[in-house]
Amino acid sequence: AQSVTQLGSHVSVSEGALVLLRCNYSSSVPPYLFWYVQYPNQGLQLLLKYTTGATLVKGINGFEAEFKKSETSFHLTKPSAHMSDAAEYFCAVSPFVGGTYKYIFGTGTRLKVLA
Amino acid sequence: EAGVVQSPRYKIIEKKQPVAFWCNPISGHNTLYWYLQNLGQGPELLIRYENEEAVDDSQLPKDRFSAERLKGVDSTLKIQPAELGDSAVYLCASSYGLAGGREQFFGPGTRLTVL
Repeated sequence: AQSVTQLGSHVSVSEGALVLLRCNYSSSVPPYLFWYVQYPNQGLQLLLKYTTGATLVKGINGFEAEFKKSETSFHLTKPSAHMSDAAEYFCAVSPFVGGTYKYIFGTGTRLKVLA
Repeated sequence: EAGVVQSPRYKIIEKKQPVAFWCNPISGHNTLYWYLQNLGQGPELLIRYENEEAVDDSQLPKDRFSAERLKGVDSTLKIQPAELGDSAVYLCASSYGLAGGREQFFGPGTRLTVL
């Protein structure tokens, strides 16, 4: 079965420090890959996605992610954390299974930014 | 551009009562998704529509859940009868196009509490 693993349900970083949120997936065929952010009492918003082409993907708010097929990973990074980055982040995959696209989200990582 | 609209935002009912959620997707988006999000978890797909057709309802508990998308625009998700375990946030999302890899736009969700 397809799955998404986000290592660390809670991550704390100091303002200005590197943000690294980890995501690994299980799939025999590289799926489409996404990172979404969710602020309290709001719906999810797309940060970035990988479909084909360049494996380093740049998204909104200074975030980027690198697709590594050999490691089945799609980790999210940002060089310098800002207080406004505090939110919940979800990694998602969309594999093609049984003649249709599936949509599978990880359990999320809550990012806390310390002043 | 208006986003995905969901109503109600909050609903409190007693167990065994019926409940319905409504979603109006972004204009022109032909794919519509209903997700269930439990506290501290990622969204789980319940059903996906492409236009009027439910193309993936494999995770919809059909004994008590039903959904419809008449005319390929608005959609309604119903639970009858509701159980205590149905307490969660129900998210609606929409996207343009019929293939995988599309950005999903999420509504703010309906928070259901079953007493």
